[in-house]
Amino acid sequence: QVQLQESGPRVVKPSETLSLTCAVSGASVSSATHYWSWIRQPPGKGLEWIAYMSHSGSAKYNASLKSRVTISIDKSKNQFTLTFNSMTAADTAVYYCARVDGAHSGLGIKFDYWGQGTLVSVSS
Amino acid sequence: DIQMTQSPSSVSASVGDRVTISCRASRDTSKYLNWYQQKPGKAPKLLIFAASSLQSGVPSRFSGRGSGTDFTLTISSLQPEDYATYYCQQSYITPPTFGGGTRVEI
Repeated sequence: QVQLQESGPRVVKPSETLSLTCAVSGASVSSATHYWSWIRQPPGKGLEWIAYMSHSGSAKYNASLKSRVTISIDKSKNQFTLTFNSMTAADTAVYYCARVDGAHSGLGIKFDYWGQGTLVSVSS
Repeated sequence: DIQMTQSPSSVSASVGDRVTISCRASRDTSKYLNWYQQKPGKAPKLLIFAASSLQSGVPSRFSGRGSGTDFTLTISSLQPEDYATYYCQQSYITPPTFGGGTRVEI
């Protein structure tokens, strides 16, 4: 069974850098079939896609966040990481990691497995 | 970016009711449209992909239709466990974008 688990700080100060890790079990981040993604949800609001990366290291970013975000994969640990710099209060959100399926299916991508999410608050 | 607009933003329904949620895209997305269910404090769960394909393990009372810019999610007979917020998401172009959500409540 595929499982994803986010880990990282619950609180960061304004202007600091956030680093979140997603540990994957039941699947391999080295798989050529799937991509690996981060999505966030401010409290009481909707979902915003942040980025995804393939096993080969090819990454796509949301243009509105691209200047502040980096996604990376660690195949030896079967995990992937989000780095988000210059955090502000507007970045307070639940951050989810998710597996991307269907990138080569011709049916469009879908987020088929999600982590439970981790709430990150930006506060001094 | 493609904007996704859902309606209604909330709907009140009873167990056994047929519920239909709409999602409109700001431009043609062909059939590249997914639906998710999110319960409070939980991650979203994929229900429907490619507009009308049921994700494995999802009950058959959920169905999706549409293409182009207009899509619908229907719950044929609402069950107690279906009270949740539902989101559509287009995957036609990057960035993938989500609708604002429709809350199904009693």
